Amino acid sequence: AQSVTQPDIHITVSEGASLELRCNYSYGATPYLFWYVQSPGQGLQLLLKYFSGDTLVQGIKGFEAEFKRSQSSFNLRKPSVHWSDAAEYFCAVGARGGSYIPTFGRGTSLIVHP
Amino acid sequence: DVKVTQSSRYLVKRTGEKVFLECVQDMDHENMFWYRQDPGLGLRLIYFSYDVKMKEKGDIPEGYSVSREKKERFSLILESASTNQTSMYLCASSTGTFSSGANVLTFGAGSRLTVL
Repeated sequence: AQSVTQPDIHITVSEGASLELRCNYSYGATPYLFWYVQSPGQGLQLLLKYFSGDTLVQGIKGFEAEFKRSQSSFNLRKPSVHWSDAAEYFCAVGARGGSYIPTFGRGTSLIVHP
Repeated sequence: DVKVTQSSRYLVKRTGEKVFLECVQDMDHENMFWYRQDPGLGLRLIYFSYDVKMKEKGDIPEGYSVSREKKERFSLILESASTNQTSMYLCASSTGTFSSGANVLTFGAGSRLTVL
């Protein structure tokens, strides 16, 4: 079975600073990888996904992530954080069963200081 | 845009009550899911359904049941609510064919349940 580890429970950055959120996975085959964001009081929204091909993936809101097979990682990055990026971020890896259900990490809470 | 609607954003129930959480999606998705979200534990899958009247247990099904009588609607049922079921419940849906990028889940806004 697949698993996901997000080592950082909380990350605090200053507005305008760069950001990297870590995600490590365990899966026996080629992984399907996702980052979702949850703004306060909202459901989760897909930021980006990796299925195959180019290991650097671009997403919405200026985010990108890089799949590194040798490190079993899929870290999320943003060059300059905005106050509106404060949210909970979830990494996920799929799948099982015919519908490829993803397994989610425990989440990283991003705090942005002005 | 796909829309997943959870009819109740906030509920307060008493121990022992039967609780229904309703979820409706409007894009003809085959798959629907119920997750529970707790601080520090992330999202845990309760049940999922890949077709009408079909259901599969997730990681934490104990104390819960589900119903999917129509493709667009997936209900989560707490037969006898307990205080340890106080949580945020998230419904999601996805298409069933991998080649269409089906692993992407679209989530509702969540239902926050408090059991007293």
